[in-house]
Amino acid sequence: EAGVTQFPSHSVIEKGQTVTLRCDPISGHDNLYWYRRVMGKEIKFLLHFVKESKQDESGMPNNRFLAERTGGTYSTLKVQPAELEDSGVYFCASSQAHPWANVLTFGAGSRLTVL
Amino acid sequence: ILNVEQSPQSLHVQEGDSTNFTCSFPSSNFYALHWYRWETAKSPEALFVMTLNGDEKKKGQISATLNTKEGYSYLYIKGSQPEDSATYLCASSGSARQLTFGSGTQLTVLP
Repeated sequence: EAGVTQFPSHSVIEKGQTVTLRCDPISGHDNLYWYRRVMGKEIKFLLHFVKESKQDESGMPNNRFLAERTGGTYSTLKVQPAELEDSGVYFCASSQAHPWANVLTFGAGSRLTVL
Repeated sequence: ILNVEQSPQSLHVQEGDSTNFTCSFPSSNFYALHWYRWETAKSPEALFVMTLNGDEKKKGQISATLNTKEGYSYLYIKGSQPEDSATYLCASSGSARQLTFGSGTQLTVLP
């Protein structure tokens, strides 16, 4: 079974530019999550999709971040325009059931560096 | 406790030593406690998910316990090996219905 894949693995952009991160969850996983780890701090929740619907986007920092999951398959996270404080590792994870008591399978993350 | 807290932040041990880390989490509205093992540039790997007070789980030389009444979990590694070097993350899910992570314990096992 293929795992959660994320692209790109590393992106370096200048402040003000746009970046789009992509996540392909495990096939059949309805739940898809975005998390990020900034500056060596704890991993923080961004948002949760159930199929194509946003179930919880309470962790999205501001309106420069836009997540989509058209068709309920892969998801994209766009940052526009990027700021210095957006640098970090963006993780995607998926699960069949809600993770209160079920395991999330994580991707390896997309490292974003904003100069 | 409002956040998930892990201690120590980092730890160096010699090969063959046994070690343990602590994860403290809010005990109110608790649903589950997750442990993950993460090597930089790789995917965090799920180790355990525990839900019941008194739960104990084991995977090879790694084990974990859970106390939901006082809000803590311990992760034990018996006979550490260099390949156990990683960051160990715990995460709690509560009424917010999302995982809240601690900042991790970075373990280095010296040969």
